[in-house]
Amino acid sequence: NAGVMQNPRHLVRRRGQEARLRCSPMKGHSHVYWYRQLPEEGLKFMVYLQKENIIDESGMPKERFSAEFPKEGPSILRIQQVVRGDSAAYFCASSPGNGKQPQHFGDGTRLSIL
Amino acid sequence: SQQGEEDPQALSIQEGENATMNCSYKTSINNLQWYRQNSGRGLVHLILIRSNEREKHSGRLRVTLDTSKKSSSLLITASRAADTASYFCATESNTGNQFYFGTGTSLTVIP
Repeated sequence: NAGVMQNPRHLVRRRGQEARLRCSPMKGHSHVYWYRQLPEEGLKFMVYLQKENIIDESGMPKERFSAEFPKEGPSILRIQQVVRGDSAAYFCASSPGNGKQPQHFGDGTRLSIL
Repeated sequence: SQQGEEDPQALSIQEGENATMNCSYKTSINNLQWYRQNSGRGLVHLILIRSNEREKHSGRLRVTLDTSKKSSSLLITASRAADTASYFCATESNTGNQFYFGTGTSLTVIP
């Protein structure tokens, strides 16, 4: 009964490159949430997706960031033309329904921008 | 911002003592949840308390909720070194689409 799987665990990119973060939700979960955590801070909501739909992207920066959750395969958080300020831990969570049950978190991807 | 605020930011206690962490929030809520995060790991759900509940227990955890003061507390009794972690409270948006997390309390339990 695998939990939420995120990969890679660590990702290093140079400024201007693209970063792709993957998240496979728990089996049976069709709702995925992405959060960003800066050092010594709490998690900041970025985007909430269901299969093939973006439900709420109010926490996502307007430029360079995009997310998808295709019918088949993991959810992808994509950051184009990365900058130093994108360095953070990115967490994915999944739940079986809309916000009414606890979210189950992956162990995150730590993104470092050189 | 609807974000919760935990207090204190950091807490250091001896093993066996009780640890109390507080959380304040700004808007009306349907429920409030507490999560734990070990260093380098994701968050683990601990307990959910609904807005019509005042107190809830789970093992060594006791959570209270005071909606009139918009605050909650998490009490860990008879702490253990393994309880060392950061603890976050989270509230749910009106739409249920997102959770707002506080900045966390870093708990250190000294063996």
